[in-house]
Amino acid sequence: RKEVEQDPGPFNVPEGATVAFNCTYSNSASQSFFWYRQDCRKEPKLLMSVYSSGNEDGRFTAQLNRASQYISLLIRDSKLSDSATYLCVVKTGGFKTIFGAGTRLFVKA
Amino acid sequence: GAGVSQSPSNKVTEKGKDVELRCDPISGHTALYWYRQSLGQGLEFLIYFQGNSAPDKSGLPSDRFSAERTGGSVSTLTIQRTQQEDSAVYLCASSLGSGGGGGELFFGEGSRLTVL
Repeated sequence: RKEVEQDPGPFNVPEGATVAFNCTYSNSASQSFFWYRQDCRKEPKLLMSVYSSGNEDGRFTAQLNRASQYISLLIRDSKLSDSATYLCVVKTGGFKTIFGAGTRLFVKA
Repeated sequence: GAGVSQSPSNKVTEKGKDVELRCDPISGHTALYWYRQSLGQGLEFLIYFQGNSAPDKSGLPSDRFSAERTGGSVSTLTIQRTQQEDSAVYLCASSLGSGGGGGELFFGEGSRLTVL
């Protein structure tokens, strides 16, 4: 079983739609959680951290469920520019940082 | 420089040759990571360095792969006797390495390796 698992998609949604991605992790001792975004042929960049209490950044909302070991990302009012691959990231003991394989999102006009 | 710098950006080599990939992290960042990304795939963890601690090599796929970090700064990833399945983009990232598990990873643009 992979340490971090995501639905690869692709998710094809129209502009303005709300879309949600989930991610599960296997190591219950994992400490920190993040969502990164990767554009085609580019390096990943941090989208947002995920806190136990949940957090929101504009149109983006991240949630963490430690009991069920999953993380979610909700994107509201999708824009064409949101088209990218979204990577779920988990830090286990120390600084080891594991990336999920990513979920591809295509937002259509 | 302001960001993570990797070289070469592209490398084409013949099967069986050795290659070296270089990463120059952001100044002051104590944590340095190497990942591999094959076409259309996710990031595969290879190794990370944190300060003067022993590196976590648990992701290196075989003994043909090795990495070192000199003086707590520049890192070199070496692949010996390259195979076609080594073809991928090799991404380096660095982070401050302090508090809360180190925080945000900043990536370089990667080194694209093609083994013929």
